[in-house]
Amino acid sequence: DAMVIQNPRYQVTQFGKPVTLSCSQTLNHNVMYWYQQKSSQAPKLLFHYYDKDFNNEADTPDNFQSRRPNTSFCFLDIRSPGLGDAAMYLCATSRGRVTSGGIGTQYFGPGTRLTVL
Amino acid sequence: GESVGLHLPTLSVQEGDNSIINCAYSNSASDYFIWYKQESGKGPQFIIDIRSNMDKRQGQRVTVLLNKTVKHLSLQIAATQPGDSAVYFCAENRGSQGNLIFGKGTKLSVKP
Repeated sequence: DAMVIQNPRYQVTQFGKPVTLSCSQTLNHNVMYWYQQKSSQAPKLLFHYYDKDFNNEADTPDNFQSRRPNTSFCFLDIRSPGLGDAAMYLCATSRGRVTSGGIGTQYFGPGTRLTVL
Repeated sequence: GESVGLHLPTLSVQEGDNSIINCAYSNSASDYFIWYKQESGKGPQFIIDIRSNMDKRQGQRVTVLLNKTVKHLSLQIAATQPGDSAVYFCAENRGSQGNLIFGKGTKLSVKP
């Protein structure tokens, strides 16, 4: 039944060691998003893909990269994790852009909690 | 700067009472708003949305009110249940960018 799946649910990495988080969706949605959420804070958008078109937020550090090899999968790569990158990473999908109302509704996965040692 | 914020960071209500969660936004160009519920350890879950050409929308036990004059959004939960305990976020869309901007969140605690 899960429509947006994130693996792993918990990830522990070492300072500076590259890590990849994955997201898959069974909704066949055009748009996939990655958010960072720190404790007691709102989700913060890092970037999104509209189909294969990558859209980076202006304040997203270069340390964060993303890949979308096909419609169903999207990856978040953190090249050199720092202690400040410890957070919950949320993947979301939508059928279209938010401007279109209903088809822009975002559906979130359960998140991956990243710990940096 | 422009932002979406909440008046109350925490709200405690008695089971069975109605809950009202408020949200202020500052960008008059925002044309679409969503309320999300986030339970501990889970991703945000869509509750209800409203477009700027509406001032009220009802769902199952929830109602969203939009007052564009004062740039205010509220979520009303009828007959609040323990399962409603969560953090609630409002989010706005600012038009052409097509991205959601989330507010800070309100934690709702329901007392049995």
